[in-house]
Amino acid sequence: GQQLNQSPQSMFIQEGEDVSMNCTSSSIFNTWLWYKQDPGEGPVLLIALYKAGELTSNGRLTAQFGITRKDSFLNISASIPSDVGIYFCAGRANQAGTALIFGKGTTLSVSS
Amino acid sequence: DGGITQSPKYLFRKEGQNVTLSCEQNLNHDAMYWYRQDPGQGLRLIYYSQIVNDFQKGDIAEGYSVSREKKESFPLTVTSAQKNPTAFYLCASSRPGTPGNQPQHFGDGTRLSIL
Repeated sequence: GQQLNQSPQSMFIQEGEDVSMNCTSSSIFNTWLWYKQDPGEGPVLLIALYKAGELTSNGRLTAQFGITRKDSFLNISASIPSDVGIYFCAGRANQAGTALIFGKGTTLSVSS
Repeated sequence: DGGITQSPKYLFRKEGQNVTLSCEQNLNHDAMYWYRQDPGQGLRLIYYSQIVNDFQKGDIAEGYSVSREKKESFPLTVTSAQKNPTAFYLCASSRPGTPGNQPQHFGDGTRLSIL
């Protein structure tokens, strides 16, 4: 079946540093989504991407839909303590009605 | 405010007991989903429904059942046949439109534990 590989699995950074994480898939996707999950809560949508090559920002967050349609990355600039959490990528294959597939998440820790 | 409400927040189940997790949304979304999350894992799809009175199995449907009698509600029953039910359960919904292009919005989850 389809798989999403998300890396890195975890990151430990200093406040103010930039962060980059990415996801790759074994098949072509037509949608890439990035979510953040705080402990004990549901994931919150950060950025949605729908076109190959699309680059979208949401404040200090920037995500891109890879031109091969098999990958996506998320960058966080000038990290702050509240960026701590688990970041998930999710994608949907190029088929109508196909459910989302989620990566296993990147756990981000920020020290001040 | 519009959103997705899951209840209860915490739930305890005895061996051999069925339990039902509630999910209600007032976003007027057609599609609803149930996911299971285990530590260090991504979200795995249990069941989803794209329209009232219709639902489809996801990747790990065994031991679970759902119903979709109303657009707003998509309850999940964890049956005694599910041998490892301890997990964090997340409900999600998405807007009408091309299923392939609509992001999902999540509730705050129900944590189920076995006594």
